[in-house]
Amino acid sequence: DAGVIQSPRHEVTEMGQEVTLRCKPISGHDYLFWYRQTMMRGLELLIYFNNNVPIDDSGMPEDRFSAKMPNASFSTLKIQPSEPRDSAVYFCASSLALRGARKGDYGYTFGSGTRLTVV
Amino acid sequence: AQKVTQAQTEISVVEKEDVTLDCVYETRDTTYYLFWYKQPPSGELVFLIRRNSFDEQNEISGRYSWNFQKSTSSFNFTITASQVVDSAVYFCALSEAPGGGNNRKLIWGLGTSLAVNP
Repeated sequence: DAGVIQSPRHEVTEMGQEVTLRCKPISGHDYLFWYRQTMMRGLELLIYFNNNVPIDDSGMPEDRFSAKMPNASFSTLKIQPSEPRDSAVYFCASSLALRGARKGDYGYTFGSGTRLTVV
Repeated sequence: AQKVTQAQTEISVVEKEDVTLDCVYETRDTTYYLFWYKQPPSGELVFLIRRNSFDEQNEISGRYSWNFQKSTSSFNFTITASQVVDSAVYFCALSEAPGGGNNRKLIWGLGTSLAVNP
């Protein structure tokens, strides 16, 4: 298994531009999470999906952020318009349901992250 | 309220020393999961362990060991004979499952930055 795949790895964009981050979860995982990591705030959960349905988006900072999961193998996080304060590393993670998971199941597997810089 | 506290912001040790990273959590639920993740300088988040609240058995994996104490709400992580490659930020996290259900949020500590010097 290739793990959780995120693209791009690095993104530099100008303030006001639209940014789209992409994620391919592990096949068979039914939960998908978007996190943001900054030095000031640490790891923040932005939104998560269960079976492609958004369950909790209370962490999405404002209307400029939107996330979609059109199918079980793909999700996007979009920022429009982007601002310098959006600069961070954005992680995507996927998991099986922990309840009933086999003892050896990790639960949450993270992608390598997208480092976003808005100038 | 759910909370994870990693009181040690930074730790510096010399190679081959043992080091313990502390994690204290708060939760109202009886069913929950605890995790440790490692974030090396390359930036990825690497899963280390998941522990269920109903399983207090301590675990050892090579040089790594975990001490889960429900009585003190702690889930501490010890590295024995530390190596330079252990240098990373280590995160403790909590996931609640009220009523055994599927609350999926991970509550993260702020991390402990471990530097292992040669």
